[in-house]
Amino acid sequence: EIVLTQSPATLSLSPGERATLSCRASQSISIYLAWYQQKPGQAPRLLIYDAFKRATGIPARFSGSGSGTDFTLTISSLEPEDFAVYYCQQRSNWPPWTFGQGTKVELK
Amino acid sequence: EVQLVESGGGLVQPGGSLRLSCVASGFTFSDFWMSWVRQAPGEGLEWVATIKQDGNEKYYVDSVKGLFTISRDNAENSLSLHMNSLRAEDTAVYYCAREVRDGSGFDIWGQGTMVTVSS
Repeated sequence: EIVLTQSPATLSLSPGERATLSCRASQSISIYLAWYQQKPGQAPRLLIYDAFKRATGIPARFSGSGSGTDFTLTISSLEPEDFAVYYCQQRSNWPPWTFGQGTKVELK
Repeated sequence: EVQLVESGGGLVQPGGSLRLSCVASGFTFSDFWMSWVRQAPGEGLEWVATIKQDGNEKYYVDSVKGLFTISRDNAENSLSLHMNSLRAEDTAVYYCAREVRDGSGFDIWGQGTMVTVSS
């Protein structure tokens, strides 16, 4: 089973700042990685799939990069609505499909 | 509008059974792999089960193998999850989700249905 490790667990930032979230896989997953945003009481929302492809309707301030074992989600300039929990998920070596434990982006 | 709507959650005693349903609209349901993903209170996301477009391939997380059954009815645009021998650790919000066509990720999610296993 591929384990995804996200860091940091919590990121404390202010609106307008740049957020850099990391996801590391326990073995190579090529580019088969997705990123999600989840707000309290809501379902997750797909932001990025195949490591760098933005999902429909996702603003350009969200970008994904990486391949193999190391991946990054970057939010170029935080908007108030971006404070949430972010998860990565792999679909390379399946089953199982696995998720990271999440990174919370909180208001500083 | 592309939409998934779950139903069937509720309170069930340990050892009991429950059937979750998910109705799809706004897209060609039979074209997509479909999955169930759960989230225990205050916890992260956990993939539960996935079914191929024609229903001939099904996959489960180890903890539910032999206990849960995923199925679909493409004529009715519906996805189901039959859950047997429920345990307290199955308590979670259960989401149905559509897989990205030819890609990695779940691009459409339902609003979720809460399952509570407790005596």
